This record gives sequence, C-alpha cells and structure tokens, in this order.
Amino acid sequence: GNSVTQMEGPVTLSEEAFLTINCTYTATGYPSLFWYVQYPGEGLQLLLKATKADDKGSNKGFEATYRKETTSFHLEKGSVQVSDSAVYFCALSNTGNQFYFGTGTSLTVIP
Amino acid sequence: NAGVTQTPKFQVLKTGQSMTLQCAQDMNHEYMSWYRQDPGMGLRLIHYSVGAGITDQGEVPNGYNVSRSTTEDFPLRLLSAAPSQTSVYFCASTHRGQGDGYTFGSGTRLTVV
Repeated sequence: GNSVTQMEGPVTLSEEAFLTINCTYTATGYPSLFWYVQYPGEGLQLLLKATKADDKGSNKGFEATYRKETTSFHLEKGSVQVSDSAVYFCALSNTGNQFYFGTGTSLTVIP
Repeated sequence: NAGVTQTPKFQVLKTGQSMTLQCAQDMNHEYMSWYRQDPGMGLRLIHYSVGAGITDQGEVPNGYNVSRSTTEDFPLRLLSAAPSQTSVYFCASTHRGQGDGYTFGSGTRLTVV
C-alpha cells in the first residue's frame, strides 16, 4: 500500500539553525512526493515537490531530494527564520491522484 | 483570486443537525477532495471526485455525503452531526496527473456540541 511516515514533533529551533524534518514513504510504482506547509489558521500550501527519483525540489530556501533507494524525502533548510514557524506535511501522490499525507511536524523557531 | 473557496469558516452545530460545507474552485480542476484534520492524525480523506458526476469514498466516509454536479462545486453534507465530527475540514483540488500538487481551501472549523 501507500503511506507516509514523518518525524514526530514538535521541533523547536533557534533562529538561523539548520532544519531537517525526516520523511519516508511506502508506495507501489513511482509516486510523486510533496512537502506542504500550514501556517496557523490557514490551509495547506504546496512548498515543494519532486516527481521522479533523484529530483530535488526547492522553494523559499527549503530543499528535499527524492531518494528512491532509501524511500525518503527529507526536508532541509540551512538557516530557519521565525517566519518559518508552521506545521509541515510530507505527502505522496500515486496513480489515480490519491494523496497520502504524513501526520505533520510542528516547527517553532525562537529568536 | 483564483483558488479554492470554502464557506463557512466556522460553524457550531448541535448533535443531530445537518449542514452543508461549501467548496468552489475556479481553476477548472478535475479532481476535488474533502479532508478532515484532527490533532495527531494528519489529514484523512473523506470523499473525492475525479470529475463532474463522479464521486467515491475515501478513508473516513461514514456520516458524510457529497455530490459533484459541476466542475466548480463539491459540497460536503453532514447528515446528522455527531461530536466525533468536530474537526477542521479542508477542500482541495488538482488537475489530473500525479505530478500536480493540491490547492487547498482555508478550511472550515466545525464544532458539534
């Protein structure tokens, strides 16, 4: 079947620290992988995506690389800001447009 | 602005009442879905539609009905509200093709008392 497992939070970092949020997946075939971000009181927004193995998605300083050999799509950012405080969701999409979401990781960045 | 519009933003219902959560998108997306978000459980798929006139059940369909008479609209109906349906509900849409991400609405926070 299809599923996504992401590291549990909450995560608290100081401003300018390095961020890694782990995400691994189980899927049949060749899924597309996504990271979404949810700011307080808002819906989810697409942060970045990768559609095939070894692709790197990037946006707003965040990066994630589609690793088929380790079935992973870890989210990284070199220097977080207070404005990055949010909940981050890893997701995959497989045949038929079905999306499967992780449980979310809450990030708080303190000045 | 193009996107997914959900109404209402907040709603309080009494147990046993019915209501419809509205969802509309203006991006001509074929695929639309309803999710509920509960603490510690991520997003769970309630119902989805791959096009006008076609709907199907997701992971947690019980207690909810949907219809898709037009490409733009995908309302979610609660038949007889229960406290277990207290949640935040998100509507989302995308083009066909798994490489496209979802566009989400801003959510409806529902409390059933």
